[in-house]
Amino acid sequence: KNQVEQSPQSLIILEGKNCTLQCNYTVSPFSNLRWYKQDTGRGPVSLTIMTFSENTKSNGRYTATLDADTKQSSLHITASQLSDSASYICVVTSFSGGYNKLIFGAGTRLAVHP
Amino acid sequence: ETGVTQTPRHLVMGMTNKKSLKCEQHLGHNAMYWYKQSAKKPLELMFVYNFKEQTENNSVPSRFSPECPNSSHLFLHLHTLQPEDSALYLCASSQGQGAGEQYFGPGTRLTVT
Repeated sequence: KNQVEQSPQSLIILEGKNCTLQCNYTVSPFSNLRWYKQDTGRGPVSLTIMTFSENTKSNGRYTATLDADTKQSSLHITASQLSDSASYICVVTSFSGGYNKLIFGAGTRLAVHP
Repeated sequence: ETGVTQTPRHLVMGMTNKKSLKCEQHLGHNAMYWYKQSAKKPLELMFVYNFKEQTENNSVPSRFSPECPNSSHLFLHLHTLQPEDSALYLCASSQGQGAGEQYFGPGTRLTVT
């Protein structure tokens, strides 16, 4: 069964600190993996996308890694800011039935406190 | 903003009411999606439309009825809902079904009383 598991479920950190969010997946066949950021009351917005051959991708203070062998990804946030408070969702794309299908994780809810 | 708008942003309805959610995309995309997001659960894909044709219905109860009059507009008609249908309903669009990034609207927060 195609699944995406994220940990931790929630996380509280102090402003300026770093943190790492985890994503494990059992999806086959694998097309790509995205990390989305979802602010409260808004839809998800894509942060990074990685294909099978990529093992790291950065977007400002966000750095995503991918280990396709162990089927794990992480999202590292450096020097956190209050505006980083949001849910972070790991999404794996799989090709099935003639189309790419998205399999969503439940998300990690991050709270950055001053 | 993402180029995908949804109205209303908040909706409270009784179980006997009929209401509709609207989604519009200004990106020139051909595929549109409805998702349900419940607390602490992954997004659940409900319906997919590609070039105005419904290509996917993930066993959604008939009390949810989608309509796609053209590639830019998507509706979700609601009737005789249950309290467990309370959730955030997200619309998304992409260039083609499964092609490229999906852009999400801000969602409609639905509460069924």
